[in-house]
Amino acid sequence: NAGVTQTPKFRVLKTGQSMTLLCAQDMNHEYMYWYRQDPGMGLRLIHYSVGEGTTAKGEVPDGYNVSRLKKQNFLLGLESAAPSQTSVYFCASRPGTSRGNEQFFGPGTRLTVL
Amino acid sequence: GENVEQHPSTLSVQEGDSAVIKCTYSDSASNYFPWYKQELGKRPQLIIDIRSNVGEKKDQRIAVTLNKTAKHFSLHITETQPEDSAVYFCAASYSGGSYIPTFGRGTSLIVHP
Repeated sequence: NAGVTQTPKFRVLKTGQSMTLLCAQDMNHEYMYWYRQDPGMGLRLIHYSVGEGTTAKGEVPDGYNVSRLKKQNFLLGLESAAPSQTSVYFCASRPGTSRGNEQFFGPGTRLTVL
Repeated sequence: GENVEQHPSTLSVQEGDSAVIKCTYSDSASNYFPWYKQELGKRPQLIIDIRSNVGEKKDQRIAVTLNKTAKHFSLHITETQPEDSAVYFCAASYSGGSYIPTFGRGTSLIVHP
């Protein structure tokens, strides 16, 4: 099993450009999450999904959109990137409620917006 | 919503010493408390967790204690080694429903050889 993978690993954008980050998991997990990690701020939830076709806002959703058309994939989109979105982005997945609470994280995507 | 405070933000110890990281939470409905370790440039990984129906859990050199009344929980690492150097995050959540954990801001543990 590859676990949770993220594409790309690194990206540099100019202000106003758009991009999509892809998260994929091969563990048949129901729940998927997108976090951003900034120095001294811990992990802040952007959006999450409790199942295929569902999405919900987290703590810091502004400027981001998500989609979960397939159970194994969770996409994070930035329509018009801003320097404040410079961060490391982590995707995570978790089995359904009856199968445990551990979140499994992807390797991260380091995004710089100039 | 839930609020998790984590202290200290940085902890420096000598190899072989013990290290303690403390977290407090605000929502009495929270019943699941995981701890994650994140090495430099790597992803967070679960190292230990505790549920609200127990007060302490131990796994080799790592232990977690929970005080539900005071709403705080702690990570204890004994006989620290240089490879314990990392950022440690606590989290609190209700294990049912959508399961949205709230994370602390992290503690950078530095173990000096």
